[in-house]
Amino acid sequence: AQKITQTQPGMFVQEKEAVTLDCTYDTSDQSYGLFWYKQPSSGEMIFLIYQGSYDEQNATEGRYSLNFQKARKSANLVISASQLGDSAMYFCAMREGLRYGGATNKLIFGTGTLLAVQP
Amino acid sequence: GAVVSQHPSRVICKSGTSVKIECRSLDFQATTMFWYRQFPKQSLMLMATSNEGSKATYEQGVEKDKFLINHASLTLSTLTVTSAHPEDSSFYICSAPRGGLLDTQYFGPGTRLTVL
Repeated sequence: AQKITQTQPGMFVQEKEAVTLDCTYDTSDQSYGLFWYKQPSSGEMIFLIYQGSYDEQNATEGRYSLNFQKARKSANLVISASQLGDSAMYFCAMREGLRYGGATNKLIFGTGTLLAVQP
Repeated sequence: GAVVSQHPSRVICKSGTSVKIECRSLDFQATTMFWYRQFPKQSLMLMATSNEGSKATYEQGVEKDKFLINHASLTLSTLTVTSAHPEDSSFYICSAPRGGLLDTQYFGPGTRLTVL
């Protein structure tokens, strides 16, 4: 069964430091997508970064980068130069791939990591 | 700016009443939208896939008669919680892929439902 695991319920990081949020996944699909979303206290889910299973390069978006290690089935999010506004819940998600001739866009979410950036 | 909106952002209702939540894609058409539910301090769980012009697809364990979904147009999907009870109190959030079915999903701001 498809599964996303985030083992860090909470993390602290000093402002301006880098932080890595862990995410491992389990799937038998050959084609899949991995996403990271940020959820501040307001509740909105904000898309951060995407990595496709066939992408050879690690995805980067500004201060966010995804450390994709396919053999280890991990997709860790790295936030560089943390800012106070980065304090939020972070969710790793996986999109199911093609199966039985049909494509889906169902997202399976991990349990999240609460990041607190300290001044 | 936001690409998906939801209304209302917060609703409090009495047990037994029905509540309608709207999800709109703001600058794109979405033939498919998704409805999620999130309990406090928990992850998002997909409830159903809303399909324009056809019936919604519900995830296992989600009562389709309880959570009515109507995809009225290419920019609007509605979720109606019928005969709401306190256990239906939750955060409901919708999403839509912007560039086609397999594109990245963008989420609305969510609706916090409290049933008294």
